[in-house]
Amino acid sequence: AQTVTQSQPEMSVQEAETVTLSCTYDTSESDYYLFWYKQPPSRQMILVIRQEAYKQQNATENRFSVNFQKAAKSFSLKISDSQLGDAAMYFCAYRSYGGSNYKLTFGKGTLLTVNP
Amino acid sequence: GAGVSQSPSNKVTEKGKDVELRCDPISGHTALYWYRQSLGQGLEFLIYFQGNSAPDKSGLPSDRFSAERTGGSVSTLTIQRTQQEDSAVYLCASSLGGRFTDTQYFGPGTRLTVL
Repeated sequence: AQTVTQSQPEMSVQEAETVTLSCTYDTSESDYYLFWYKQPPSRQMILVIRQEAYKQQNATENRFSVNFQKAAKSFSLKISDSQLGDAAMYFCAYRSYGGSNYKLTFGKGTLLTVNP
Repeated sequence: GAGVSQSPSNKVTEKGKDVELRCDPISGHTALYWYRQSLGQGLEFLIYFQGNSAPDKSGLPSDRFSAERTGGSVSTLTIQRTQQEDSAVYLCASSLGGRFTDTQYFGPGTRLTVL
């Protein structure tokens, strides 16, 4: 079974600065998808960014980018020019390419605080 | 269009009572998922529907939990004889289909508190 580990329960960043959230995963599969979801206090999980494992190029969405290291099974999220609205719980998630490819396996989350 | 909606937003019940949680997916989405978010276990997959059928119920924690989906749309998660360990946020998500390429869109969840 796949596992996802987020080793930072909490992180903080100053507004306008850059922060990196860590995620590692364990799998024997070669094809899969990785995601970062954001959960603000409203509880609504919002997709931030996704990465296909077969793609070598790191995904980027505006101020959000990932550093995907397939061999190391590492998938970190970098938030540039942090804004107060970025404060939330961030979850890393894994989804198989085949077999049980419908469900997401989540890490425990990292609570990000943005200081003004 | 409207996103995934869930009701109620919060539910407080007494131990031993039955509860029903409702999920209304995005219109046109054929796949629907239930997850549970609790302090101790994090986010756990419960069940997946493709249309009205549930190919995978393996995440349901006990036989007190059941779910159904009617008309390929609304889904209800029922917990019978609730226990304190059932206290959690129950999240519903939907996607266009069940393929790995489909993004899952989440609702705001139902916070269940069992006293």
